[in-house]
Amino acid sequence: AQSVSQHNHHVILSEAASLELGCNYSYGGTVNLFWYVQYPGQHLQLLLKYFSGDPLVKGIKGFEAEFIKSKFSFNLRKPSVQWSDTAEYFCAVNAPTQGWGKLQFGAGTQVVVTP
Amino acid sequence: DTEVTQTPKHLVMGMTNKKSLKCEQHMGHRAMYWYKQKAKKPPELMFVYSYEKLSINESVPSRFSPECPNSSLLNLHLHALQPEDSALYLCASSQEPPNEKLFFGSGTQLSVL
Repeated sequence: AQSVSQHNHHVILSEAASLELGCNYSYGGTVNLFWYVQYPGQHLQLLLKYFSGDPLVKGIKGFEAEFIKSKFSFNLRKPSVQWSDTAEYFCAVNAPTQGWGKLQFGAGTQVVVTP
Repeated sequence: DTEVTQTPKHLVMGMTNKKSLKCEQHMGHRAMYWYKQKAKKPPELMFVYSYEKLSINESVPSRFSPECPNSSLLNLHLHALQPEDSALYLCASSQEPPNEKLFFGSGTQLSVL
């Protein structure tokens, strides 16, 4: 069975600092990769996704992620965070050959940005 | 309209009660999902409906019974739940083809006493 690992459970950083959240998955075949964000009191929202093509994908709110197939990784980055980026971030993976719609989430990383 | 609407937002029920959670979307999406999220944990897939037919059941206990009356509505019928079933129940929808963006509702916070 596929698994998704997020390296950090909690990250605290100051405004304007750079953010990088790690995500690794275990499935060896073709995968679709996602980063979702859950702001306090709000529902899950898609930040960005990778299906194929350019391994560097850009999402909303200045986020980007890089797919490195050889490392089974899909790390999320933002060069300069804002207080409003305080949220929980989930990496998610779908392996189409295992059934579309089966989106498996990582454990999540709680990010706190201090003013 | 790019929203997935879930009702009720909060629900408290006893172990002998029967209740239903409702989910509605008007984006023309043909895939709808139920996820369960415990506190401080990631969402876990429960059910997937495609074109109003159940396509994935992640070995969910029969005390949870999904229903998709039409392409816009998804229900989750609850009966004889246990306290450990207390969680946030999230509905989501997506367009065809699959693996596209999931739109999530705000969830129903369920407490089973």
